[in-house]
Amino acid sequence: EADIYQTPRYLVIGTGKKITLECSQTMGHDKMYWYQQDPGMELHLIHYSYGVNSTEKGDLSSESTVSRIRTEHFPLTLESARPSHTSQYLCASSGDRDYEQYFGPGTRLTVT
Amino acid sequence: GNSVTQMEGPVTLSEEAFLTINCTYTATGYPSLFWYVQYPGEGLQLLLKATKADDKGSNKGFEATYRKETTSFHLEKGSVQVSDSAVYFCALRRNAGNMLTFGGGTRLMVKP
Repeated sequence: EADIYQTPRYLVIGTGKKITLECSQTMGHDKMYWYQQDPGMELHLIHYSYGVNSTEKGDLSSESTVSRIRTEHFPLTLESARPSHTSQYLCASSGDRDYEQYFGPGTRLTVT
Repeated sequence: GNSVTQMEGPVTLSEEAFLTINCTYTATGYPSLFWYVQYPGEGLQLLLKATKADDKGSNKGFEATYRKETTSFHLEKGSVQVSDSAVYFCALRRNAGNMLTFGGGTRLMVKP
């Protein structure tokens, strides 16, 4: 059973608000990832990290930012939310032994 | 570059019907291949994987065989259940950072 957590599960906020989506894992994985999933189901990698103090932008350009100060924690921040940010955000992590990514339950964000 | 193509859905089947979801890939070499499943309102879960050519991954009655000749990794199940209704994603491991390239997802709906 994977131990990766995301909070909140659902968030409805107004335009212009600053938000932080939390992601934590207890597996000691070095690699972590953020995906944006659109209503058509497709997954887009927006950020990744290979360890503490390492962050990189993914395949899809995003106005969000991430940080990795601790191994287990990989929060995503939007400084000023807009309706175009409405989406599902999925966090994942991966270790060195089995190559697979373990996913959290996701945060469904709605910006009004 | 790497890419994954899977059949478009939705796929609608009656309970106990045979399931095939096609997946083909383009990649350099022989990457590890995965099938992930996403149940409504949840994150992705690994369903099965294969790490080298001719490997067969299996789990919960689902199977997929890594075919290098046809660059395919089709998902099959002999008798689907209503509880199998979900979105299925085919993916390949693209680099040493365990980053994945996903297909667009196939929604399966199983009717009683």
